Amino acid sequence: QSVLTQPPSVSAAPGQRVTISCSGSSSNIANYYVSWYQQLPGTAPKLLIYDDNRRQSGIPDRISGSKSGTSATLDITGLQTGDEADYYCGTWDSSLSAVVFGGGTKLTVL
Amino acid sequence: QLQLQESGPGLVKPSETLSLTCSVSGGSIISSSYNWGWIRQSPGQGLEYIASMYYSGTTDYSPSLKSRVTISMDTSKNNFSLRLKSMTAADTAIYYCARLWLTMVRAEIRGFDYWGQGILVTVSS
Repeated sequence: QSVLTQPPSVSAAPGQRVTISCSGSSSNIANYYVSWYQQLPGTAPKLLIYDDNRRQSGIPDRISGSKSGTSATLDITGLQTGDEADYYCGTWDSSLSAVVFGGGTKLTVL
Repeated sequence: QLQLQESGPGLVKPSETLSLTCSVSGGSIISSSYNWGWIRQSPGQGLEYIASMYYSGTTDYSPSLKSRVTISMDTSKNNFSLRLKSMTAADTAIYYCARLWLTMVRAEIRGFDYWGQGILVTVSS
């Protein structure tokens, strides 16, 4: 059971928009920066978003992050088949004194 | 360009100790801007944080693994290592090393910005 809660899967058609949620608590998301990662099949995770909403270098602006209270959201617009991957949120948890990740969300581009 | 490369055994027997090393090239592990850490991923599962370390010696451990894990650093070789004792089948996973980017003022975690390719470790007799 992950400390951060993500939907197991989301799907949308090419060109459409999808949002992936990440729910936490006052000991993590509410008070610490959230980062988002994309993991393509068979590869290491790749940092997409850091500091809640800043895009890592080279990440297109159709990918964005936001945060409100104890929840964070990853938005991907103009979906492409190459966006099919697993997506993870992560942050610090002060109760655990450790980095925590969400369980991951599998994005399917129909 | 920074590169991280994990090395170690791909097969470990139950009850044995796993030792992995992450070799860093293209940059120094002695930096006030980064921690250096380990994350694992069991087959078909999500990411699990194991531990991270600052060059000064400060460490953080996952509470669920803390009793079995040691992270260390060799600044002369520009690498850092993981030891996980009393291995069981539940420890079978891909183990990644990664750089953990910190904010300058309060050393808050920004994200893991560079990752190794990962090493599959199987626990089996």
